[in-house]
Amino acid sequence: AQSVTQLDSQVPVFEEAPVELRCNYSSSVSVYLFWYVQYPNQGLQLLLKYLSGSTLVKGINGFEAEFNKSQTSFHLRKPSVHISDTAEYFCAVSEVTGFQKLVFGTGTRLLVSP
Amino acid sequence: DVKVTQSSRYLVKRTGEKVFLECVQDMDHENMFWYRQDPGLGLRLIYFSYDVKMKEKGDIPEGYSVSREKKERFSLILESASTNQTSMYLCASSLGVERGDTGELFFGEGSRLTVL
Repeated sequence: AQSVTQLDSQVPVFEEAPVELRCNYSSSVSVYLFWYVQYPNQGLQLLLKYLSGSTLVKGINGFEAEFNKSQTSFHLRKPSVHISDTAEYFCAVSEVTGFQKLVFGTGTRLLVSP
Repeated sequence: DVKVTQSSRYLVKRTGEKVFLECVQDMDHENMFWYRQDPGLGLRLIYFSYDVKMKEKGDIPEGYSVSREKKERFSLILESASTNQTSMYLCASSLGVERGDTGELFFGEGSRLTVL
């Protein structure tokens, strides 16, 4: 069965600084990878996803992520964050074969301050 | 625009009450899911359904049941609410295996339940 590890529970950063949120996964088969964002008191919305092809994936709001198969990682990056990026970010994985059921990491809270 | 609607954003119930959380999707998706979200624990799957009247236990089904009588509607039921069920509940849906599902989930806004 697959699993996801988000090592950083909270990442504080100043506005306009770059940020990287780390995600590592474990699976014995090929996977699809996702990043979701959750703003306070809202549901989750998709930021970006890796299905196949180019390992660098661009998403909404200027975020991007890189799939690294050898390191089983899918880190999320943004070159310059805004106050409005303050939210919780979840990495998730599903296996390519069989019933696709997403498994989530425990989330990383990004705190952007002026 | 695709939409998953959860009927109640905020609920306050008393211990022992029966609680219904309703979820409706308008995307003709085959699969529907109920998660609960707690600080530090991320999202944990309670139940899911891959077809009308079909249901499967997730990782934490104890204390919950579900109902899916119509394709678009998936209900979560707490037969006798307890304080440890105070949480944020998230409903989601996905395409279905025969439609090229990748596991991508479409979420509702969430229902925050407080049990006193």
